[in-house]
This record gives sequence, structure tokens and C-alpha cells, in this order.
Amino acid sequence: TQLLEQSPQFLSIQEGENLTVYCNSSSVFSSLQWYRQEPGEGPVLLVTVVTGGEVKKLKRLTFQFGDARKDSSLHITAAQPGDTGLYLCAGARGNKLVFGAGTILRVKS
Amino acid sequence: DSGVTQTPKHLITATGQRVTLRCSPRSGDLSVYWYQQSLDQGLQFLIQYYNGEERAKGNILERFSAQQFPDLHSELNLSSLELGDSALYFCASSVSGENNSPLHFGNGTRLTVT
Repeated sequence: TQLLEQSPQFLSIQEGENLTVYCNSSSVFSSLQWYRQEPGEGPVLLVTVVTGGEVKKLKRLTFQFGDARKDSSLHITAAQPGDTGLYLCAGARGNKLVFGAGTILRVKS
Repeated sequence: DSGVTQTPKHLITATGQRVTLRCSPRSGDLSVYWYQQSLDQGLQFLIQYYNGEERAKGNILERFSAQQFPDLHSELNLSSLELGDSALYFCASSVSGENNSPLHFGNGTRLTVT
């Protein structure tokens, strides 16, 4: 069982649509990070959220950290083919950074 | 470009063999992490070093070992290889090594065990 559960596992949408992916846990995290990984490359950090209820925006991407710091969401507005990739959330737990299994997003033009 | 360099990019070897994966961290980063990524297990934390010392250990098999050298580069040694060890192995680095530090990943080494 993953400490961080991400949903959906796979999402295929048309260019211009909006979407939300989720990262949930029964555990409290001191912070959560979101990464995007493209084929053949390593994950790249998008954002870190630290405070419960925090909302951060990165152009068309909006990240939210749950009030109880157990969950997070990533909303993409007007998705573009360049958004295609594997979206990973990662939580700081003890002295380790633990990753969820990820959401594979495919945006079709 | 993350600044983290991993070599080799691809490695094909037979069961029972031993291989060494190499990682040079981003300039200024003192901590190095190793992760294994496979389709069924996702990104699994193996081990972390900070300034030459082991800081945290994850699901690393006894057949695997790692070290960080004085120049801060790191090597991951995989021995008695099994088919199930086929995966992408990523190295990441961070400045402080704290558990909420942003990680900078290399592009990985794809290991295929035949």
C-alpha cells in the first residue's frame, strides 16, 4: 500500500480541457512537493506546499494543500500537449521523501 | 538541465553480474539520493548520503550498496543481479539534505538484466 495515493492513475484529455489530479494520505505531512516527469527524463520539481490550506499558482497550474496537511490537489486549466507527463506528489515523512505512484496525463491536440 | 549527471544512460547485463552506477550531484549540493523506478513499484527511495555520510535508508536490498566520495559524487553498486532488478535508477541531489528539500534529479540509468 502506497503511503501517498494518487488518482486517477491515467488521464487522457483534449487540449483546452481542465483537469484535477489528487494526492491523498491518511498521514500528516510537514510538506508536499509536486514533480512532473517526461519520458526519458528525471522528475522536475513544480512546487512545494508547506502550510495547511495553502494555494499556489504556477501559470495554468494551481496547487492546493489540504487543511489537515494529509492531501493535495493539482488543477490544470486549459491543458496543452506540453503538459503531457507523469505527475508525482512527494511527502516529507520522517527523514525521507516518499513518492506517490503518479498520474499519467496525456493531452491530445 | 538539472545539473545532476548520471552515467551510464543504459546498461544491459546478465543475471548474477555486478554493475556500478555513477552520479555527480549539482554543484553546491551536499546530499545525494538514489531512487529505483519501475512500472509496478513507482519511485522507491533506496538511500541518501549527506557530505559523505549515510543519512537515511529506504528499501535497499542487501545486494545493493552505495557510497558518497569526498568530491561528493556517488556510486550505487548492484550485485548478484536478478531479472527483477531491471528498472530505471535515478540519482537526485539537494543542498541541505533535509526531508523537505527540493530534489534535483538526473536523467537516470536504465538497467536491463537479461
